Amino acid sequence: SAVISQKPSRDICQRGTSLTIQCQVDSQVTMMFWYRQQPGQSLTLIATANQGSEATYESGFVIDKFPISRPNLTFSTLTVSNMSPEDSSIYLCSVEGDSFVAFFGQGTRLTVV
Amino acid sequence: DAKTTQPNSMESNEEEPVHLPCNHSTISGTDYIHWYRQLPSQGPEYVIHGLTSNVNNRMASLAIAEDRKSSTLILHRATLRDAAVYYCILRDGSGNTPLVFGKGTRLSVIA
Repeated sequence: SAVISQKPSRDICQRGTSLTIQCQVDSQVTMMFWYRQQPGQSLTLIATANQGSEATYESGFVIDKFPISRPNLTFSTLTVSNMSPEDSSIYLCSVEGDSFVAFFGQGTRLTVV
Repeated sequence: DAKTTQPNSMESNEEEPVHLPCNHSTISGTDYIHWYRQLPSQGPEYVIHGLTSNVNNRMASLAIAEDRKSSTLILHRATLRDAAVYYCILRDGSGNTPLVFGKGTRLSVIA
């Protein structure tokens, strides 16, 4: 199994500002995944983050808006830049453990006012 | 990714069995069937997965049709804690690929 710690758990931010979300895993993992969950919706993949390389973004998500860092095999950050109320969502990180089982953090609940 | 179809919502009485269906008619030979659930205000959690044979674990059972075009997640005795959104997801067996979530089934459990 893998234990994921996400920080902050929630935040209220002013529009136009940026927030960096941290994801710490208790074991080394090859890939980390970042998801967004808009209110009342399912999870949507933002990007895949490999250590030592640029993140791979899904359609509709761009690096300027959601820059990702992956400095080592246990840590990643996602920044939500120049925020607007439409960015109000839950942001989750995920990793894959043994036997193709995915583990998720508790999420960061972001409200942009 | 191959797609899955689930009912939007289901309701069950507490301590009754629950059968959550999932259709995946375009499943490929290397796709595993995964089930995750998301309790309120939490990240998704793994429930069970399988390839061809039925699977059992401490949380649930997974019944897979012989042609693999559908599957059913079985909760043997629903509790109030089982109220969640259940996601049926197809995932290639090569691993290290992200989960692609559909809308899932919202299960309500009535005391």
